[in-house]
Parts: sequence; structure tokens; C-alpha cells
Amino acid sequence: GAVVSQHPSWVICKSGTSVKIECRSLDFQATTMFWYRQFPKQSLMLMATSNEGSKATYEQGVEKDKFLINHASLTLSTLTVTSAHPEDSSFYICSAGTGAWANTGELFFGEGSRLTVL
Amino acid sequence: AQKITQTQPGMFVQEKEAVTLDCTYDTSDPSYGLFWYKQPSSGEMIFLIYQGSYDQQNATEGRYSLNFQKARKSANLVISASQLGDSAMYFCAMRGMNTGNQFYFGTGTSLTVIP
Repeated sequence: GAVVSQHPSWVICKSGTSVKIECRSLDFQATTMFWYRQFPKQSLMLMATSNEGSKATYEQGVEKDKFLINHASLTLSTLTVTSAHPEDSSFYICSAGTGAWANTGELFFGEGSRLTVL
Repeated sequence: AQKITQTQPGMFVQEKEAVTLDCTYDTSDPSYGLFWYKQPSSGEMIFLIYQGSYDQQNATEGRYSLNFQKARKSANLVISASQLGDSAMYFCAMRGMNTGNQFYFGTGTSLTVIP
């Protein structure tokens, strides 16, 4: 299957700093990328949907000024957690779909990024 | 709004036995896709199986099959001949074709395979 790579896998930062997480589709062009947040032993909560070249669509309750999403190319989307606080500590996962994914059904997931804010 | 419900927080199955993981959904979208993903302790999401709302036959992928009952809005995952490596979290997910293609997950079921 197609490969989606997230970086970094682990990140620890001080409260008040900003952290950027990258999501890359390595062998396909991702027209749509999704960002999720997962707390321990809980489900994946959709944060936002990003389409290449346009502004991300945020889910209700997700602060777009805090979680900046950029999808500048067909192979890269970034999530920046601005002025991070301990409550932002979580597992962040991206997923990507190709232009044909609406028919094939499959989304490809990154390995996830575990953020710990001290 | 779309809603995915997995009523089994935890399940146990004997090795080599079959197990069914339940998933019900609710959507107003006439066209949608249903998915099952496996998440081992490492955190990666592994795609297992997909069912389109207009598919006439139940999806199968190796030891995985999806028992799709559209009228009941259920999409249960059946794992046959369970293996120890099947122990993981399992998530049912849905995507509405006409509602922005957002992809939503259920709360998950933790499956433990007993030797």
C-alpha cells in the first residue's frame, strides 16, 4: 500500500513553544489529508481536513489559531501546535487519500507523532 | 451528523476461534463508506477492510469479513481463525461521500486473543 510518513515520531517541548509535525505522502499525491488527535485508550478525533492549496476545514471545537494546518503541496501537510500547553499533549495522526480514494475507500495513515508538553 | 458506535470496549477470544466485533452507524448521507482499522500498541493504523454503501456483496479480505446489514445500519467485523497477533484495538470508521468526505471513527474495541 501507499506510504505516509510522519515526523517527528516523538517530541517533547516546553510549555509556550510551538511544535510542527509533518505528514508526507511518499509515493502518491495526496489531495486530501486529515489530522487526528488520540488520547490514551480513546478513539481518533478528527481535528481538521485539509485539501491541497486551500484552507483547512476544522471540526467544531478545534481552535484553528492554535492548530495551524498547511497543505502547501500534494505530498506535504503540516500541523503546527502553537504556544503548546500540557493539555495539548497527545498522539497526533495524519492520514492521506489520493484523488481516487473516494472510490477505493482506503486512507493511508502516518505512524503518528506523540507530543509531550512539559 | 454522522455517528459510529462500537458497544464492546473489550473482547476476548480463544486462539483459532472466530470473533465478531460490532459496529453500528448513523448517517443521513445516502452514499458512504465503512472501514475497519487495527491499531496495535505501536500506534500505527492498519487498514483491514472496506465496504461501500452500494456494494451488493459483503467485503472479505483474507481472514477478515464484514457483515454489512444496511437496513440495520451495522457493519460488524468478523475475524476468523484468530491469531495472537490479532490482539489490538479495532476501530470502525465511516466516510460520507456527500458530507465533505470527513472520516470519523468509533470508540474502538480492544481485542485480546488468548492462547
